[in-house]
Amino acid sequence: DIVMTQTPLSSPVTLGQPASISCRSSQSLVHSDGNTYLSWLQQRPGQPPRLLIYKISNRFSGVPDRFSGSGAGTDFTLKISRVEAEDVGVYYCMQATQFPLTFGGGTKVEIK
Amino acid sequence: QVQLVESGGGLVKPGGSLRLSCAASGFTFSDYYMSWIRQAPGKGLEWVSYISSSGSTIYYADSVKGRFTISRDNAKNSLYLQMNSLRAEDTAVYYCARGIAALDFDYWGQGTLVTVSS
Repeated sequence: DIVMTQTPLSSPVTLGQPASISCRSSQSLVHSDGNTYLSWLQQRPGQPPRLLIYKISNRFSGVPDRFSGSGAGTDFTLKISRVEAEDVGVYYCMQATQFPLTFGGGTKVEIK
Repeated sequence: QVQLVESGGGLVKPGGSLRLSCAASGFTFSDYYMSWIRQAPGKGLEWVSYISSSGSTIYYADSVKGRFTISRDNAKNSLYLQMNSLRAEDTAVYYCARGIAALDFDYWGQGTLVTVSS
């Protein structure tokens, strides 16, 4: 199984400041079709998860452009350029390159 | 608009069974693969099972293989999860989510809580 490791576990951020979350996979996420199926999801308190980014860097419909994804192979990053109050929650990376699908352990973004 | 509504959760004793349903609306259900994902109280996300758009391809997490069965009825726009031999560690909120091509889990339901306890 592919293990997804996220750091940090928690990220206290000042409003308006950037935040960055790292996700590392135990093996390459490049699929045989050439795509890399790495997504980022946000889960606000008391809510179901919500897709933010798919295939490393593609923002899903309606996602603000302050969210961006980057990376390749086994190392990926989610960046929030200027954190807003509504960004508080837990962020998960997820790989869909290989079954079983696996999630990172989550990174909690909170306001300082 | 896209809607996924789970139902069927509840309190069940260890060794018991439960059938979850996910009613889909607002999109062409038969075009999308579906998955169940669960979240134990205060914990992270765990993928449980996948079924292709036609139902011909199915995968399970090792933790539920042999106990859970995923199925779908495209005529009824519904997804199901039959859960047998339930254990305390199956206690979680169960979400259904859809996907297509490279767009994995673009919409999720609100979830249904399953509690396994004597």
